[in-house]
Amino acid sequence: DAGVTQSPTHLIKTRGQQVTLRCSPKSGHDTVSWYQQALGQGPQFIFQYYEEEERQRGNFPDRFSGHQFPNYSSELNVNALLLGDSALYLCASSKRQTQETQYFGPGTRLLVL
Amino acid sequence: EDQVTQSPEALRLQEGESSSLNCSYTVSGLRGLFWYRQDPGKGPEFLFTLYSAGEEKEKERLKATLTKKESFLHITAPKPEDSATYLCAVQAPGGYQKVTFGIGTKLQVIP
Repeated sequence: DAGVTQSPTHLIKTRGQQVTLRCSPKSGHDTVSWYQQALGQGPQFIFQYYEEEERQRGNFPDRFSGHQFPNYSSELNVNALLLGDSALYLCASSKRQTQETQYFGPGTRLLVL
Repeated sequence: EDQVTQSPEALRLQEGESSSLNCSYTVSGLRGLFWYRQDPGKGPEFLFTLYSAGEEKEKERLKATLTKKESFLHITAPKPEDSATYLCAVQAPGGYQKVTFGIGTKLQVIP
């Protein structure tokens, strides 16, 4: 049973550029959430997707946007990158109907120079 | 706004020396309280979900308990491989599954 997968594992960008991160949920899961984790901090909720729509959003600017596809996979897009966007970006999947616990992927480490 | 406070921020134990990690939370109702383990540079690994005060769950050397205001993660006779950051998180009822995390407790177990 495949768990949550994310790509790429590492990414280096420069300020002002745009980045797209990808996530495939655990088999049987239909809900995807994205988190940002700065060094030494806990994960911070960015937003959640269910049925291809953004359902809830944390305190992140509009530069952060996302998408969910019919196969439940998801993308996180960040525009106009800032140095402060450097972090580990985590994707978590769950099953909406049974309200199961979220399972996390390995993350994408983004470094903005 | 939901809040999670974990203490201590860091803990150093000798192998075999039992201890407890604390998670205090403020949430409007509680759908669930979660414990995760996170190794450096990796995604959090699910350990436990607790739903109501008085509930307890165990897994190997770990035992999680829940009261109305806090949760404890008890580590019995830890081994060096238990070294990791332990994250606590809460989820309020209703709506969609936003989860609020604490900053974690970094545990180091010395042989």
